[in-house]
Formats: sequence, C-alpha cells, structure tokens
Amino acid sequence: DGGITQSPKYLFRKEGQNVTLSCEQNLNHDAMYWYRQDPGQGLRLIYYSQIVNDFQKGDIAEGYSVSREKKESFPLTVTSAQKNPTAFYLCASSTSGTSGYEQYFGPGTRLTVT
Amino acid sequence: GQQVMQIPQYQHVQEGEDFTTYCNSSTTLSNIQWYKQRPGGHPVFLIQLVKSGEVKKQKRLTFQFGEAKKNSSLHITATQTTDVGTYFCAGPRSSGDKLTFGTGTRLAVRP
Repeated sequence: DGGITQSPKYLFRKEGQNVTLSCEQNLNHDAMYWYRQDPGQGLRLIYYSQIVNDFQKGDIAEGYSVSREKKESFPLTVTSAQKNPTAFYLCASSTSGTSGYEQYFGPGTRLTVT
Repeated sequence: GQQVMQIPQYQHVQEGEDFTTYCNSSTTLSNIQWYKQRPGGHPVFLIQLVKSGEVKKQKRLTFQFGEAKKNSSLHITATQTTDVGTYFCAGPRSSGDKLTFGTGTRLAVRP
C-alpha cells in the first residue's frame, strides 16, 4: 500500500520543548512539503524539499526546522522559538517539485502545546 | 505576493440543493487544482485544469477554468451529505515549485 504516514496523530507538549513530527512516504516522490493549518483556515507552507539533501523555507518557516536525509523521510521539528505552535500539521508529497503535479497528503498530526 | 481567494467562506445548504464555490487568483495561473478536506481529515486531490475555458465533470461535480486563467469554479449538483467538507483550490506560484492554496469554502449539508 503506497502512501504517506505521519505520526503521531495527536501530540501534546509543554511550552519550551522542541518536538519532532514524523513524515514518511513510499510513493517514490521527489518533492515533499510541510503545511500548517489553523482551525477554519487554509494551508500555509512551512518548508518544502524538491530533492534529497535540499530544502527551502516556505511562507512561515520561523520557529521550525527540517531535514531531508532520505528520499522517503521529511521530519519537521517545532522548536521552542515558534510562538504559537498549537495547530494541525500536514505533510504532503508530489512526483516532482514542479507545480503541475498533484500533492498527496498524510493524515496529519494535531499538536497541542500548553 | 500571489493571492488566491475563495468565496463563499462557508455555505450551508439543504440536501438536494446545488452548491458553487469560486476561486480567484491575483495572477494568471498555468493550471489550477482542486482538493477536498473532510472534517477532521486531510486534503485529497480532486482534479487539475490546464486549458483556458476548460470544463471537467466528475459525476455531480463540475469544474471550470476561466478564459483568462485567473479564476475557477466548482459546482456540485444536488448535494448529498457525503459532500460535506472544505473545498480548496490551489494554483502554482510564479516560481513553479510550489502551490498557493486558496482560503477554502466549507460546505455543510442539512439532511
């Protein structure tokens, strides 16, 4: 079964702690993306990667970091510098980094920071 | 920067009524994609339109790309409770390497 997995589904953390969200895909896609979604809002791009060992900041990268050491994996770290980390985080992938290709989304991780 | 707006933000219809959401971009788009996100779920790709004036149908859903390639619409005929969710349009940025998602239209259907 091909797809994107994100874990965990729900995550609770105390303020001041870094937390890493997992994203794995077995679709053999080159490009991967991280989005943030707040209640009733659209999708905002945090980071994206078009190829292994390379990634670029999206629109709201401050307080976040990523790595792309393997084609299949694109973990996102929410650092303590992120002022409002509580949100729904969605990982996506596409065949290529060019925007003519549809994006496949994982089930998401709901992060709550108190 | 590029903006993609959708109207309405929210619509509540009686089951069986029609529904339309409109997507407007501040820039000309090479293509437009539509996604559906069920409550509590993740966005799922529905369709991509590429040509000016293109119209595509998927059962009760009709998608249209404007002649100027700056706007698009999704029309649902005779809504069903399974249509509930948020519909997003998405267009490529000028850099060509990422999408800008629209603000979304949330559809609620009264049975």
